[in-house]
Amino acid sequence: QVQLVESGGGVVQPGRSLRLTCAASGFHFSSYGMYWVRQAPGKGLEWVAGIWNDGSKKDYAEPVKGRATISRDNSKNTLSLQMNSLRVEDTAVYYCARSMGGAPIDHQLLRGEYLDYWGQGMLVTVSS
Amino acid sequence: DIQMTQSPSSLSASVGDRVTITCRASQSISNFLNWYQQKPGKAPKLLIYDASSLQSGVPSRFSGSGSGTDFTLTISSLQPEDFADYYCQQSYITPPFTFGQGTRLEIK
Repeated sequence: QVQLVESGGGVVQPGRSLRLTCAASGFHFSSYGMYWVRQAPGKGLEWVAGIWNDGSKKDYAEPVKGRATISRDNSKNTLSLQMNSLRVEDTAVYYCARSMGGAPIDHQLLRGEYLDYWGQGMLVTVSS
Repeated sequence: DIQMTQSPSSLSASVGDRVTITCRASQSISNFLNWYQQKPGKAPKLLIYDASSLQSGVPSRFSGSGSGTDFTLTISSLQPEDFADYYCQQSYITPPFTFGQGTRLEIK
């Protein structure tokens, strides 16, 4: 069965860095786009970053652009999110999720994606 | 970016009730609308994709409808396990992946 398991969360001081990892199993990892979605305490869902199945395209939400790097290793079935210059407002549960569907409408955008499997989430707390 | 607005933000209902949650897009998104359920302390779960397609394993009491800018998620007869938060998400153009702000369904 499909499994996504996040690791790497914890407490980190503002301005420091953190790397989250998502280990995937139970499906052909290299065939699927992958995303990071976060949820601040008591708040809604917020998309953070996404990467195409072959790693050729990466996208970032404005709040993390320039501070986050999403990557994947299709030989190891792992997805990563490197977060630098962390801010208090980055405190959240971070989920990795698999993208299903999605047809290109140009070389930059997709249409029809949905997230059909999610990891259990990993709490990142940014605090001094 | 396409903005998604859900209503109501919270809702109280009883077991057995029929419940409807609404999601409105800031522009037409055809039928590219998905619904997720999230229980406390758990990851979101996909319920409905493409506005009305039921994800495998999701009970048939859940249904989705709508197109263009207005969409609904309906639970035909509330069960105790349905009390949760619900989110819509547009997939007309990604990125960005935009979610609604969520609807909390509580027990009356």
